[in-house]
Amino acid sequence: KNEVEQSPQNLTAQEGEFITINCSYSVGISALHWLQQHPGGGIVSLFMLSSGKKKHGRLIATINIQEKHSSLHITASHPRDSAVYICAAIPNYGGATNKLIFGTGTLLAVQP
Amino acid sequence: EAQVTQNPRYLITVTGKKLTVTCSQNMNHEYMSWYRQDPGLGLRQIYYSMNVEVTDKGDVPEGYKVSRKEKRNFPLILESPSPNQTSLYFCASSLGGRRGETQYFGPGTRLLVL
Repeated sequence: KNEVEQSPQNLTAQEGEFITINCSYSVGISALHWLQQHPGGGIVSLFMLSSGKKKHGRLIATINIQEKHSSLHITASHPRDSAVYICAAIPNYGGATNKLIFGTGTLLAVQP
Repeated sequence: EAQVTQNPRYLITVTGKKLTVTCSQNMNHEYMSWYRQDPGLGLRQIYYSMNVEVTDKGDVPEGYKVSRKEKRNFPLILESPSPNQTSLYFCASSLGGRRGETQYFGPGTRLLVL
């Protein structure tokens, strides 16, 4: 069983829909990143959060460290949001290094 | 432009033929890391480096070597590639390698080993 699990694995939405991607983890963490990977392209960091909620444009990320769960929401989805979304947890083990444990990703396709 | 570059972007090779994937960053970052990405497994760390001449194994180091002779470069070496090393490889860097720092990823190198 992966230490970081994402759901769903695949998601198809119509333009304008509200989208939620979930991430749960089984290890103690100090914070969590949400990353975006476009087809054929690299990976960029969207958020890092350790508590509560962060918002950037139409993207909202929430986390509850105690419940071991984070969500990424996209409001008013658009075809350009189509990408793989990856959560990456920062474990409490691993010393002071920048170790990450990655989820397997959610492939989002937003249709016009 | 601040970036992480990788070369080549695509590579097809045969079993046993040594290859090197280069990674370079222009942000003066101390920390660099190599990951491989496989369907159903996500990203897994191969090796990382906290600074020049300081490297350490990640979660899946078998079959790989790295070196860090200069701060900006962190090449990944496959001395005798095998088909199970067919994957998408990413290099990443961050400022100091401290917990929680944003990592900046390269564009990826897609490797096929026949």
